[in-house]
Amino acid sequence: AQTVTQSQPEMSVQEAETVTLSCTYDTSESDYYLFWYKQPPSRQMILVIRQEAYKQQNATENRFSVNFQKAAKSFSLKISDSQLGDAAMYFCAYRRSLGGAQKLVFGQGTRLTINP
Amino acid sequence: NAGVMQNPRHLVRRRGQEARLRCSPMKGHSHVYWYRQLPEEGLKFMVYLQKENIIDESGMPKERFSAEFPKEGPSILRIQQVVRGDSAAYFCASSPRRDRAHEQYFGPGTRLTVT
Repeated sequence: AQTVTQSQPEMSVQEAETVTLSCTYDTSESDYYLFWYKQPPSRQMILVIRQEAYKQQNATENRFSVNFQKAAKSFSLKISDSQLGDAAMYFCAYRRSLGGAQKLVFGQGTRLTINP
Repeated sequence: NAGVMQNPRHLVRRRGQEARLRCSPMKGHSHVYWYRQLPEEGLKFMVYLQKENIIDESGMPKERFSAEFPKEGPSILRIQQVVRGDSAAYFCASSPRRDRAHEQYFGPGTRLTVT
């Protein structure tokens, strides 16, 4: 079974600085999707960024970028120029690409605090 | 274009009562997923449904929990004889097609409190 591990329960960063959140996963599949979701205090799950495993290029969305290391099964999220509105729980998630289960498998989450 | 709707947003039930959680997918989406989030944990998959079909219920507890997605109307997650351990946030997500399950859009969740 696939598993997703986020080893940092909490992280904090100064406003305008850069922070990196870690995520590792375990799978025997070669094709899959990886995601980072943000969950602010409202509890709404917001998709931050998505990476397809067959793409070697790291995904980027404005201030958010990933470092996808397929061989190491690592998928970290970098947030540049941190803003107060970035404070939230961040969840890493995995999904098989082909057939079978279509469910998302989530990590335990990292609580990100932004210090003004 | 309304997003995924869930109601109620908050639900309080006494032990032994029934809880019914509703999810209306995005327009044009016929696939629904239910996830449960216990306090201080990540989301855990419960069940995946297509209109009138349960595709994958591998995450559903064997007893007291059921789900449906009728031809007309919202998807319903039903919990019978609730216990305190059922207190959690329940999220619904929808996608347009099975092969686009990577495009899961989440609703705001229903927070169930069992007293």
